Formats: sequence, C-alpha cells, structure tokens
Amino acid sequence: GAVVSQHPSWVICKSGTSVKIECRSLDFQATTMFWYRQFPKQSLMLMATSNEGSKATYEQGVEKDKFLINHASLTLSTLTVTSAHPEDSSFYICSARDQGANTEAFFGQGTRLTVV
Amino acid sequence: AQTVTQSQPEMSVQEAETVTLSCTYDTSESNYYLFWYKQPPSRQMILVIRQEAYKQQNATENRFSVNFQKAAKSFSLKISDSQLGDTAMYFCAFMKTGTASKLTFGTGTRLQVTL
Repeated sequence: GAVVSQHPSWVICKSGTSVKIECRSLDFQATTMFWYRQFPKQSLMLMATSNEGSKATYEQGVEKDKFLINHASLTLSTLTVTSAHPEDSSFYICSARDQGANTEAFFGQGTRLTVV
Repeated sequence: AQTVTQSQPEMSVQEAETVTLSCTYDTSESNYYLFWYKQPPSRQMILVIRQEAYKQQNATENRFSVNFQKAAKSFSLKISDSQLGDTAMYFCAFMKTGTASKLTFGTGTRLQVTL
C-alpha cells in the first residue's frame, strides 16, 4: 500500500513554545489529509481536514489559532501546535487519501507530543 | 451525522480460536464504506478490511471476514485462527462516499490473544 510518513515520531517541548509536525505522502498525491488526536486508550478524534491550496476545515471545538494547519503541496501537510501547554500533550496522527482513489486512507505512524 | 458504536471495550480469545467483534452504526446515507482498522502497540493504524455498502457480498481478507447487515446497520468482524500478532485495538469506521469524506471511528475494542 501507499506510504505516509509522519515526523517526528516523538517530541518533548517546553510550555509556551510551538511544535511543528509534518505529514508526507511518499508515493502518491494527496489533495486531502486529515489530522487526528488520540488520548490514551481512546479512539481517534478528527481535528481538521487539510486541503491542498486552501484553508483547513476544523472540527467543532478545535481551536484553529492553536492548531495551525498548512497544506502547501500535494505531498505535505503540517500541523503546528502553537504556544503549547501540558494539556496539549497527546498522540497526533495524520492520514492521507490518494486523490486517484476514493476509499482507503493511509495513516502516518503518529507523533507523541509531550509538553513539560 | 454518523455515529459508530462498538459495545465491547475488551475481548479475549485463545490462539487458533475464532472471535467476533461487534460494530453498529447509524446513518441516513444509502451509499457509504465501512472499515475495520487495527492499531497494534506500535500505534500504527492498519487497514484490516473494507466493505462497500452497495455490495451485498461480505468482504473477506484471509483470516478476516465481515458480517455486513445493511438493514440492521451492523458490521461485525470475524477473526479466524487467531494469532498472537492479532493482539491490538480494533476500530470500526464509517465513511460517506466522496474524495474528501472523513472517517468516523468507533470507540474501539481491545483484543487480547492468549496462548
């Protein structure tokens, strides 16, 4: 199957700093990418839908100024957690769908963010 | 809005045995996709099986098969000949048709395969 690479796999940052997470589709083009947050032993919660060349669509309750999403190319979307606080500590996962296919979404390996 | 319900938080099965994970969903759409994803301890999401709602035939992938009951809005996963490597969280997911459609996940079932 297609490969989605997410970087970094884990990151520790200080409160008040910003952290950028990258999501790349390595062997296909993705007009749409999705960002999820997962708390321990819970399901994936969709944060936003990232659209290449346009603004992201955020789910209700997700602060767009807090979680900045940029989808500048057909193979790269980034999530920046701005002014991070300990409550932002979580597991963040991206997924991408091949623009030529209608169904399967491929997932990155996830990023564990710890804010101290 | 769509909802996906997994009523079994945890399941356990012995190696080589068969186990069925339950999933129900609610939607007003007539055409959609259903998925089962596996999340092992590595936390990498892996697609196990996919079902298209307009297809009456149940999907199968080697030891994995589904029982898709469209009228009842039920989509259970059967794992045959369970292996230790099947130990993982299993998520049922729903998606409307459309290239930008998002996945709606259930709460997950933690499956433990024992010796």
